[in-house]
Amino acid sequence: GAVVSQHPSWVICKSGTSVKIECRSLDFQATTMFWYRQFPKQSLMLMATSNEGSKATYEQGVEKDKFLINHASLTLSTLTVTSAHPEDSSFYICSARDFLLTYTQYFGPGTRLTVL
Amino acid sequence: TQLLEQSPQFLSIQEGENLTVYCNSSSVFSSLQWYRQEPGEGPVLLVTVVTGGEVKKLKRLTFQFGDARKDSSLHITAAQPGDTGLYLCAGVWSGGSNYKLTFGKGTLLTVNP
Repeated sequence: GAVVSQHPSWVICKSGTSVKIECRSLDFQATTMFWYRQFPKQSLMLMATSNEGSKATYEQGVEKDKFLINHASLTLSTLTVTSAHPEDSSFYICSARDFLLTYTQYFGPGTRLTVL
Repeated sequence: TQLLEQSPQFLSIQEGENLTVYCNSSSVFSSLQWYRQEPGEGPVLLVTVVTGGEVKKLKRLTFQFGDARKDSSLHITAAQPGDTGLYLCAGVWSGGSNYKLTFGKGTLLTVNP
């Protein structure tokens, strides 16, 4: 089946630094990738949708200057948390939609970000 | 913004019991999916339902899509400790843009041995 990887799986950083998280579709082309945020024991909250070669679309309330998304190829999207603060600590999950399969999204294993 | 109500939010049962989780909306879905997620991992797709009235079975799990495509249920028979996890329903609405999935709040299931 289709596989989506995320790197790193966990990261600890100091307040004020920036952190980049990569999301890769390993065996399919993903024209669209999605970034979610999840707090403990809660559901996934969609942050933004990224389409290859164009600007990301952010959900209401998500700061686009803080969460920079780049989708430079059909297999890679990156999320950069800029000037991270402790309240940005969360579980970040990406998913990728196979452009051949309308309703199918494949989820990555998530990245645990802890900001000290 | 379409809302997807999922209930119950928490469920703790004994091994061998049956349970049902519900997912409801006031809007019509193009499709609805059920996921299971374990701590520290991404959600894993269990099933996708598309047709109103559809019933799908996955071993001890039975998924039903309402005739009007506004609601769905997940029924687990004879639950086992290995069924413990966060169950999420997620929908794509008719006319929704970019096939965005919207998730319910999730049901945290604990099956005690």
